[in-house]
Amino acid sequence: QSVLTQPPSVSGAPGQRVTISCTGSSSNIGAGYSVHWYQHLPGTAPKLLIFGNNNRPSGVPDRFSGSKSGTSASLAITGLRAEDEADYYCQSYDNSLSWVFGGGTKLTVL
Amino acid sequence: EVQLVESGGGLVQPGGSLRLSCVVSGFSFSTYAMSWVRQAPGKGLEWVSAISGSGGNTYYADSVKGRFTISRDNSKTTLYLQLNSLRAEDTALYYCARRYSSSWYVFDYWGQGTRVTVSS
Repeated sequence: QSVLTQPPSVSGAPGQRVTISCTGSSSNIGAGYSVHWYQHLPGTAPKLLIFGNNNRPSGVPDRFSGSKSGTSASLAITGLRAEDEADYYCQSYDNSLSWVFGGGTKLTVL
Repeated sequence: EVQLVESGGGLVQPGGSLRLSCVVSGFSFSTYAMSWVRQAPGKGLEWVSAISGSGGNTYYADSVKGRFTISRDNSKTTLYLQLNSLRAEDTALYYCARRYSSSWYVFDYWGQGTRVTVSS
């Protein structure tokens, strides 16, 4: 059972917009810790997509955006492309001095 | 170019031990905190352990506390994870990851992972 809760799967057609939610608690997201997002193809190195709730590392297209409110956060992907098909994880920090992840969301591009 | 390359995984019996290594290049290793993160088959990512740049501070997930030990050799730009008293539930792909900065609890670079299988 992951500390942060994500939907197991989402899907969308090419060109569409999808969002992935991430729900935490008062000891992590709600405590003010930032939320970060990773794109992951199993067996490969996870890629940092969004850090500090809504910041994109260099090279990440602006089709990807993040937001945070209260004890939740979300990742939005616009102009969906076939290469966006991957697993997406949210991550934050907890007052228990541990890094915490969501269970991951599998994005399928129809 | 930043690179992190893990090694040391393998098949081990329950109760056994392994030492994982992560050799890094392309950045000033001693100035960055590092972590190990694992992914069990069919499961999500799970943070395992972290260590400060100097090696003086270490942190562990409750699931591995007392069994795993994280360490680093800054002269060899290498991160280690000693796995003892291994259990079936420790079976996973183990990644090393660099913490972006002291201002952010986020990992900006990851390795490709090394696989640990605990089975008799």
